[in-house]
Amino acid sequence: ETGVTQSPTHLIKTRGQQVTLRCSSQSGHNTVSWYQQALGQGPQFIFQYYREEENGRGNFPPRFSGLQFPNYSSELNVNALELDDSALYLCASSLGQGSSTDTQYFGPGTRLTVL
Amino acid sequence: EDQVTQSPEALRLQEGESSSLNCSYTVSGLRGLFWYRQDPGKGPEFLFTLYSAGEEKEKERLKATLTKKESFLHITAPKPEDSATYLCAVKNYGQNFVFGPGTRLSVLP
Repeated sequence: ETGVTQSPTHLIKTRGQQVTLRCSSQSGHNTVSWYQQALGQGPQFIFQYYREEENGRGNFPPRFSGLQFPNYSSELNVNALELDDSALYLCASSLGQGSSTDTQYFGPGTRLTVL
Repeated sequence: EDQVTQSPEALRLQEGESSSLNCSYTVSGLRGLFWYRQDPGKGPEFLFTLYSAGEEKEKERLKATLTKKESFLHITAPKPEDSATYLCAVKNYGQNFVFGPGTRLSVLP
């Protein structure tokens, strides 16, 4: 069974640029969630995708957007980067709605630094 | 608004010294409470899911319990390799996960 993978591992961008982060779900999982984790804090929910549709969104501005593909992999796009966007971005997959478990399994994360 | 708090913020134990971590929550309809372990710079690693008050789960030196307002993660005879940040999260019926800030555990040899 393949776990959740994310790319790239690290990324450095400058303020105002755009970035795309990628995530491959664990085999058999149809739901993907994205989180932002600042240093020393718990993960903050950005949004969730279920079968290619956005299924919930946290308190993040519209410049944070996403996609889920038919193979259930996902992208997180952030436009007009700000210094406060520097964080560890985590992707988590789960079996989703109607399953017997809601447990999310996390990838290793992408460390984004905005200069 | 759903909220999760964790205490203590940081905990230092000697190897073999048992203790408990606390997770207090308020949520509009609890669908599940989750414990994760996170090593520095890595993604959270799943430990336990608890669904109803009174439920308990065990794994090696860890035991998680749940009441209607809080959960405890008991660590029995910890080893240095148990050093990590322990995160608690709740899921509401709106399908959203809310995480606490975590407890940083250091186990000294």
